[in-house]
Amino acid sequence: DVKVTQSSRYLVKRTGEKVFLECVQDMDHENMFWYRQDPGLGLRLIYFSYDVKMKEKGDIPEGYSVSREKKERFSLILESASTNQTSMYLCASSLALDIGGLNHEQYFGPGTRLTVT
Amino acid sequence: KNEVEQSPQNLTAQEGEFITINCSYSVGISALHWLQQHPGGGIVSLFMLSSGKKKHGRLIATINIQEKHSSLHITASHPRDSAVYICAVRWGYNTDKLIFGTGTRLQVFP
Repeated sequence: DVKVTQSSRYLVKRTGEKVFLECVQDMDHENMFWYRQDPGLGLRLIYFSYDVKMKEKGDIPEGYSVSREKKERFSLILESASTNQTSMYLCASSLALDIGGLNHEQYFGPGTRLTVT
Repeated sequence: KNEVEQSPQNLTAQEGEFITINCSYSVGISALHWLQQHPGGGIVSLFMLSSGKKKHGRLIATINIQEKHSSLHITASHPRDSAVYICAVRWGYNTDKLIFGTGTRLQVFP
Protein backbone atom coordinates (compact mmCIF):
# COMPACT_ATOMS: atom_id res chain seq x y z
CA ASP A 1 0.00 0.00 0.00
CA VAL A 2 1.22 3.44 -0.94
CA LYS A 3 2.47 5.47 1.97
CA VAL A 4 3.66 8.99 2.66
CA THR A 5 4.44 9.75 6.28
CA GLN A 6 5.22 13.02 8.02
CA SER A 7 7.22 13.27 11.21
CA SER A 8 4.60 15.05 13.33
CA ARG A 9 0.85 15.62 13.21
CA TYR A 10 1.01 18.65 15.50
CA LEU A 11 3.92 20.91 16.32
CA VAL A 12 4.20 24.05 18.43
CA LYS A 13 7.31 26.21 18.08
CA ARG A 14 8.41 29.62 19.24
CA THR A 15 9.19 32.57 16.99
CA GLY A 16 12.80 32.44 15.83
CA GLU A 17 13.24 28.68 16.28
CA LYS A 18 14.58 26.52 13.48
CA VAL A 19 11.96 23.97 12.50
CA PHE A 20 12.40 20.73 10.56
CA LEU A 21 9.48 18.93 8.95
CA GLU A 22 10.27 15.50 7.60
CA CYS A 23 8.49 13.54 4.91
CA VAL A 24 9.18 9.95 3.88
CA GLN A 25 7.64 7.98 1.01
CA ASP A 26 8.01 4.26 0.36
CA MET A 27 6.95 4.18 -3.29
CA ASP A 28 10.30 5.00 -4.96
CA HIS A 29 8.76 8.18 -6.39
CA GLU A 30 11.00 10.69 -8.12
CA ASN A 31 8.90 13.75 -7.27
CA MET A 32 8.25 15.14 -3.83
CA PHE A 33 6.37 18.30 -2.91
CA TRP A 34 5.84 20.53 0.11
CA TYR A 35 2.62 22.54 0.32
CA ARG A 36 1.03 24.75 2.89
CA GLN A 37 -2.71 24.99 3.25
CA ASP A 38 -4.47 28.01 4.70
CA PRO A 39 -8.22 28.73 4.92
CA GLY A 40 -9.54 30.40 1.78
CA LEU A 41 -6.24 30.01 -0.08
CA GLY A 42 -6.08 26.34 -0.94
CA LEU A 43 -2.84 24.42 -1.27
CA ARG A 44 0.16 26.45 -2.30
CA LEU A 45 3.44 24.93 -3.43
CA ILE A 46 6.47 25.84 -1.35
CA TYR A 47 9.14 23.65 -2.95
CA PHE A 48 9.32 20.75 -5.36
CA SER A 49 12.06 18.15 -5.80
CA TYR A 50 12.31 16.00 -8.90
CA ASP A 51 15.37 14.00 -7.89
CA VAL A 52 17.90 13.59 -5.10
CA LYS A 53 19.62 16.92 -4.39
CA MET A 54 17.43 18.64 -7.02
CA LYS A 55 14.88 21.24 -6.03
CA GLU A 56 12.75 23.93 -7.56
CA LYS A 57 11.04 26.87 -5.90
CA GLY A 58 7.28 26.87 -5.80
CA ASP A 59 4.95 29.82 -5.42
CA ILE A 60 5.85 30.77 -1.83
CA PRO A 61 9.45 29.72 -1.03
CA GLU A 62 10.35 32.76 1.08
CA GLY A 63 11.32 31.79 4.62
CA TYR A 64 11.71 28.11 3.74
CA SER A 65 14.44 25.81 2.49
CA VAL A 66 14.45 22.11 1.63
CA SER A 67 16.77 19.16 1.60
CA ARG A 68 16.63 15.92 -0.34
CA GLU A 69 19.67 13.77 0.37
CA LYS A 70 17.89 10.45 -0.21
CA LYS A 71 15.18 9.60 -2.70
CA GLU A 72 12.63 8.64 -0.06
CA ARG A 73 13.06 11.65 2.22
CA PHE A 74 12.25 15.32 1.67
CA SER A 75 12.73 17.81 4.49
CA LEU A 76 11.24 21.28 4.85
CA ILE A 77 13.19 23.73 6.98
CA LEU A 78 11.97 26.94 8.52
CA GLU A 79 15.23 28.75 9.27
CA SER A 80 13.65 31.18 11.74
CA ALA A 81 9.99 30.45 12.37
CA SER A 82 7.56 33.35 12.33
CA THR A 83 3.90 33.57 13.34
CA ASN A 84 2.82 33.95 9.70
CA GLN A 85 4.18 30.44 9.09
CA THR A 86 1.48 28.97 11.32
CA SER A 87 -0.30 26.65 8.91
CA MET A 88 -1.03 23.09 7.84
CA TYR A 89 1.94 21.62 5.94
CA LEU A 90 1.35 18.78 3.52
CA CYS A 91 3.92 16.64 1.78
CA ALA A 92 3.17 14.70 -1.40
CA SER A 93 4.99 12.44 -3.82
CA SER A 94 4.43 11.20 -7.35
CA LEU A 95 6.12 9.38 -10.18
CA ALA A 96 7.87 11.63 -12.67
CA LEU A 97 6.34 12.49 -16.00
CA ASP A 98 6.87 9.60 -18.33
CA ILE A 99 8.20 9.93 -21.87
CA GLY A 100 4.70 10.44 -23.22
CA GLY A 101 4.12 13.33 -20.84
CA LEU A 102 1.61 11.35 -18.84
CA ASN A 103 0.93 12.96 -15.51
CA HIS A 104 0.66 10.84 -12.39
CA GLU A 105 -1.45 11.34 -9.29
CA GLN A 106 0.09 12.77 -6.17
CA TYR A 107 -0.01 10.85 -2.90
CA PHE A 108 -0.33 12.99 0.20
CA GLY A 109 0.89 12.60 3.74
CA PRO A 110 -1.43 13.22 6.71
CA GLY A 111 -0.21 16.77 7.24
CA THR A 112 1.56 18.62 10.06
CA ARG A 113 -0.31 21.39 11.78
CA LEU A 114 2.37 23.86 12.85
CA THR A 115 1.67 26.63 15.32
CA VAL A 116 4.31 29.34 15.83
CA THR A 117 3.82 31.41 18.98
CA LYS B 1 -7.99 36.32 -9.77
CA ASN B 2 -7.49 32.62 -9.05
CA GLU B 3 -6.58 30.51 -12.05
CA VAL B 4 -8.76 27.69 -10.69
CA GLU B 5 -12.22 28.57 -9.42
CA GLN B 6 -14.55 26.17 -7.63
CA SER B 7 -18.23 26.56 -6.91
CA PRO B 8 -19.96 26.45 -4.62
CA GLN B 9 -17.58 27.12 -1.73
CA ASN B 10 -19.95 25.40 0.70
CA LEU B 11 -22.66 22.88 0.06
CA THR B 12 -25.11 21.10 2.34
CA ALA B 13 -27.31 18.22 1.26
CA GLN B 14 -29.66 15.59 2.60
CA GLU B 15 -28.65 11.98 2.37
CA GLY B 16 -29.57 10.56 -1.02
CA GLU B 17 -29.34 13.81 -2.95
CA PHE B 18 -27.41 14.19 -6.19
CA ILE B 19 -24.43 16.54 -5.71
CA THR B 20 -22.57 18.60 -8.30
CA ILE B 21 -19.35 20.53 -7.66
CA ASN B 22 -17.92 22.71 -10.41
CA CYS B 23 -14.39 23.72 -11.37
CA SER B 24 -13.40 26.33 -13.97
CA TYR B 25 -9.91 27.24 -15.05
CA SER B 26 -8.52 30.09 -17.07
CA VAL B 27 -5.81 28.61 -19.29
CA GLY B 28 -5.17 25.47 -21.28
CA ILE B 29 -4.33 22.43 -19.21
CA SER B 30 -3.00 18.93 -19.78
CA ALA B 31 -4.76 17.23 -16.86
CA LEU B 32 -7.26 17.93 -14.09
CA HIS B 33 -7.38 16.22 -10.71
CA TRP B 34 -10.20 15.88 -8.20
CA LEU B 35 -9.09 15.31 -4.61
CA GLN B 36 -10.94 14.63 -1.37
CA GLN B 37 -9.87 15.91 2.03
CA HIS B 38 -11.52 14.59 5.18
CA PRO B 39 -11.45 16.42 8.53
CA GLY B 40 -8.01 15.87 10.04
CA GLY B 41 -6.18 16.73 6.84
CA GLY B 42 -5.56 13.58 4.78
CA ILE B 43 -5.97 14.12 1.03
CA VAL B 44 -6.71 11.34 -1.43
CA SER B 45 -6.85 11.50 -5.18
CA LEU B 46 -10.25 10.65 -6.65
CA PHE B 47 -9.77 11.22 -10.36
CA MET B 48 -7.24 12.39 -12.88
CA LEU B 49 -8.65 13.20 -16.31
CA SER B 50 -7.76 15.05 -19.47
CA SER B 51 -10.91 14.44 -21.50
CA GLY B 52 -14.39 12.96 -21.31
CA LYS B 53 -15.71 11.28 -18.23
CA LYS B 54 -14.61 8.88 -15.50
CA LYS B 55 -16.70 6.94 -12.99
CA HIS B 56 -15.79 5.26 -9.74
CA GLY B 57 -18.62 3.90 -7.66
CA ARG B 58 -21.01 6.78 -6.90
CA LEU B 59 -18.55 9.41 -8.12
CA ILE B 60 -18.47 10.75 -11.67
CA ALA B 61 -16.04 13.33 -13.04
CA THR B 62 -16.46 15.08 -16.37
CA ILE B 63 -14.35 17.60 -18.20
CA ASN B 64 -15.04 19.91 -21.14
CA ILE B 65 -11.70 21.09 -22.47
CA GLN B 66 -13.19 23.68 -24.86
CA GLU B 67 -15.21 25.31 -22.09
CA LYS B 68 -12.39 24.94 -19.52
CA HIS B 69 -14.77 23.36 -17.04
CA SER B 70 -15.04 20.18 -14.99
CA SER B 71 -17.72 18.79 -12.72
CA LEU B 72 -17.66 16.24 -9.94
CA HIS B 73 -20.96 14.48 -9.31
CA ILE B 74 -21.91 12.33 -6.33
CA THR B 75 -24.97 10.16 -6.75
CA ALA B 76 -27.01 8.97 -3.77
CA SER B 77 -24.96 11.07 -1.35
CA HIS B 78 -24.17 9.72 2.10
CA PRO B 79 -22.95 11.39 5.32
CA ARG B 80 -19.55 9.73 4.82
CA ASP B 81 -19.17 11.83 1.65
CA SER B 82 -18.84 14.91 3.88
CA ALA B 83 -15.43 16.34 3.10
CA VAL B 84 -13.67 19.11 1.20
CA TYR B 85 -13.39 18.43 -2.53
CA ILE B 86 -10.47 20.06 -4.30
CA CYS B 87 -9.91 20.61 -7.99
CA ALA B 88 -6.33 20.92 -9.26
CA VAL B 89 -4.97 21.46 -12.76
CA ARG B 90 -1.68 20.75 -14.46
CA TRP B 91 -0.67 23.46 -16.90
CA GLY B 92 1.26 22.35 -19.96
CA TYR B 93 2.93 19.04 -20.65
CA ASN B 94 6.39 19.53 -19.19
CA THR B 95 5.58 19.99 -15.55
CA ASP B 96 4.49 17.82 -12.65
CA LYS B 97 3.27 20.83 -10.69
CA LEU B 98 -0.40 21.44 -9.94
CA ILE B 99 -2.44 24.59 -9.30
CA PHE B 100 -5.18 24.07 -6.75
CA GLY B 101 -8.65 25.50 -6.27
CA THR B 102 -9.70 26.58 -2.79
CA GLY B 103 -12.03 23.63 -2.32
CA THR B 104 -15.74 22.97 -1.82
CA ARG B 105 -16.85 21.97 1.67
CA LEU B 106 -19.65 19.41 1.46
CA GLN B 107 -21.81 18.36 4.39
CA VAL B 108 -24.35 15.58 3.92
CA PHE B 109 -26.93 15.21 6.68
CA PRO B 110 -28.81 11.99 7.43
